[in-house]
Amino acid sequence: AQTVTQSQPEMSVQEAETVTLSCTYDTSESDYYLFWYKQPPSRQMILVIRQEAYKQQNATENRFSVNFQKAAKSFSLKISDSQLGDAAMYFCAYRSTWGYSGGGADGLTFGKGTHLIIQP
Amino acid sequence: GAVVSQHPSRVICKSGTSVKIECRSLDFQATTMFWYRQFPKQSLMLMATSNEGSKATYEQGVEKDKFLINHASLTLSTLTVTSAHPEDSSFYICSARSIGGLNEQFFGPGTRLTVL
Repeated sequence: AQTVTQSQPEMSVQEAETVTLSCTYDTSESDYYLFWYKQPPSRQMILVIRQEAYKQQNATENRFSVNFQKAAKSFSLKISDSQLGDAAMYFCAYRSTWGYSGGGADGLTFGKGTHLIIQP
Repeated sequence: GAVVSQHPSRVICKSGTSVKIECRSLDFQATTMFWYRQFPKQSLMLMATSNEGSKATYEQGVEKDKFLINHASLTLSTLTVTSAHPEDSSFYICSARSIGGLNEQFFGPGTRLTVL
């Protein structure tokens, strides 16, 4: 079974600064997907960024980028120019490769989350 | 973007009663829907995978007779918590994956269940 570990229960950053959230995972698979989700107080899960394991290039989405180190099984999220609206819980998640498996193989496995605080 | 709704958004029930939660994909068809549970200040835990037209697949430790899942159409999956007890109080979130779409799950807004 895959596991996802987020070792930072809480992080704080000044507005406009850069913060990095860490995530490590454990798997025996060679192909998979990794995600960062944001959960604001409304509890709605919002996809921040996605990385396919077969791609060496790190994914970026505007102010959000990842540092994907496949050999180290590390998948950190960097938020540049932090904004007050970035304050939320951030969850790292793992998913096996696409394909109808008939089972839970492609459900998401989440880390415990990191509470990000933005200081004005 | 793809929208997933859940109904009700919150429900309070008495111990021993059953509660049904609906998950609908509003603007796309979903062969697969997922049900997660989130306890306060904790992460989301996958409970089961719901496949249209077939039986759901439950994760280890999830009682299938207690959490009944029905995926009767390509846009609707329901989770029924049978004989609910206070320990079933939680936040239940569904997600849906579109047919032939990107490898992404779209999440509903969640349902807060409180069992008295």
